[in-house]
Amino acid sequence: AQKITQTQPGMFVQEKEAVTLDCTYDTSDPSYGLFWYKQPSSGEMIFLIYQGSYDQQNATEGRYSLNFQKARKSANLVISASQLGDSAMYFCAMRRYYTGANSKLTFGKGITLSVRP
Amino acid sequence: NAGVTQTPKFQVLKTGQSMTLQCAQDMNHNSMYWYRQDPGMGLRLIYYSASEGTTDKGEVPNGYNVSRLNKREFSLRLESAAPSQTSVYFCASSGREEYSKYEQYFGPGTRLTVT
Repeated sequence: AQKITQTQPGMFVQEKEAVTLDCTYDTSDPSYGLFWYKQPSSGEMIFLIYQGSYDQQNATEGRYSLNFQKARKSANLVISASQLGDSAMYFCAMRRYYTGANSKLTFGKGITLSVRP
Repeated sequence: NAGVTQTPKFQVLKTGQSMTLQCAQDMNHNSMYWYRQDPGMGLRLIYYSASEGTTDKGEVPNGYNVSRLNKREFSLRLESAAPSQTSVYFCASSGREEYSKYEQYFGPGTRLTVT
């Protein structure tokens, strides 16, 4: 079974500073993918970044980067130069690489990020 | 290109009433999903459809039925609504790509209240 753990309480960051959102995972599969989604107060789910278990380098997408430490089973999201629009709930998720119901995304419970001006 | 659309956006039901949540995607994706989101619980998979004509149960299927009407549409039905089904429901779709990245694209959600 797969499990995602996000235990940070609500996070606060000053505008223009960097922030790290923690995510640890548990799986016995050798092949998997890790995802981060953003959910602003409007409610939609927005895909941010992806990391494959065999990727040699940490993923980056603009101001988002993923600090992937496979041995520690952690996939922390780093947001650089925070903006007010980054205030949202952030979800870490993972999936196996196989099709079928086992390919479903397993989500963590989310972390609330508030950016202060 | 509308992506994933869901109707309705909001719904209030009385206990025991039935309703169908509609979902459609225009990205030619094979896989479609229904999730529910409850406070402090993240998103939990209700049902999944890998392709037209196939459906599978997810983590919390009890009290729900689904229909994959065609490649574009995947509906979720509550036959006899219960207060425990008060939640936000998300439909999602994704391309079928083994051993490679695929993200799920989410609809805007349906906020359902059962009184």
